[in-house]
Amino acid sequence: GAVVSQHPSRVICKSGTSVKIECRSLDFQATTMFWYRQFPKQSLMLMATSNEGSKATYEQGVEKDKFLINHASLTLSTLTVTSAHPEDSSFYICSATRQGNQPQHFGDGTRLSIL
Amino acid sequence: AQSVSQHNHHVILSEAASLELGCNYSYGGTVNLFWYVQYPGQHLQLLLKYFSGDPLVKGIKGFEAEFIKSKFSFNLRKPSVQWSDTAEYFCAARGNSGNTPLVFGKGTRLSVIA
Repeated sequence: GAVVSQHPSRVICKSGTSVKIECRSLDFQATTMFWYRQFPKQSLMLMATSNEGSKATYEQGVEKDKFLINHASLTLSTLTVTSAHPEDSSFYICSATRQGNQPQHFGDGTRLSIL
Repeated sequence: AQSVSQHNHHVILSEAASLELGCNYSYGGTVNLFWYVQYPGQHLQLLLKYFSGDPLVKGIKGFEAEFIKSKFSFNLRKPSVQWSDTAEYFCAARGNSGNTPLVFGKGTRLSVIA
C-alpha cells in the first residue's frame, strides 16, 4: 500500500515553456503533500508544503509565482513550473502523507531538462 | 534551524562486510527520524523509522538504526551487506507531526563490490 505516482517521469522542453507535474496518491488520502527539488549529488530540498484545499506554504527563496502548486483533492497535487529556464532544470520529487503521525511516501520523481 | 548531517559521502564495501552510516541531527523539540534508500533509477523507499520507544529500530532488508539522544545520532547499521544494497541512503528528520516536512541529509552513496 501507500503508492504515490508522479507524472511525467521525464520532460525536455524549450526555455519559456510552462511544465505541469502531477503527484497522485493511488491508494490513500493524502492530507499533505510535499514538493522537493534535488540537484545532482545533493540532498532533497523542500520547496513547498501543500495541504488539500489550502494555499501551499513555500520555503524561503522559492518563488511562488514561478512554482505554482495546486492541491485540489485528497489524491492529487500539481506543480507547474511557469516560463521555465535552464536553471530550473532539476529533479523534482513529491511525497504524500496521511493524516496523523505517518511517514511520507515518495513518487518516482520528474527529471526536468530545459534547453 | 533544523539540520541533518551525514558524514560519509561515498562508502565502498566488499560483500559480507559490516555497514555503519552516520547521521546526526539538530532539531528542537520531539523529533521523528527516518532512513530512506534510493536504488538506482527508483524512488525513495522507507527503510525504517523512529518515533518513540525502543531506541533500537529494526527495518526492512536486515537494516537497523539506533537512536542515541545524548549524541543526537541515528546511525544506520547492517551486519553483512550484499551487492544489492548498492544505493543512495538518506537520513531525515521532522517534528512529531505528519504534516511537517522532512529535513534530509545530503545522502551517502554505498557501493558494494563482490
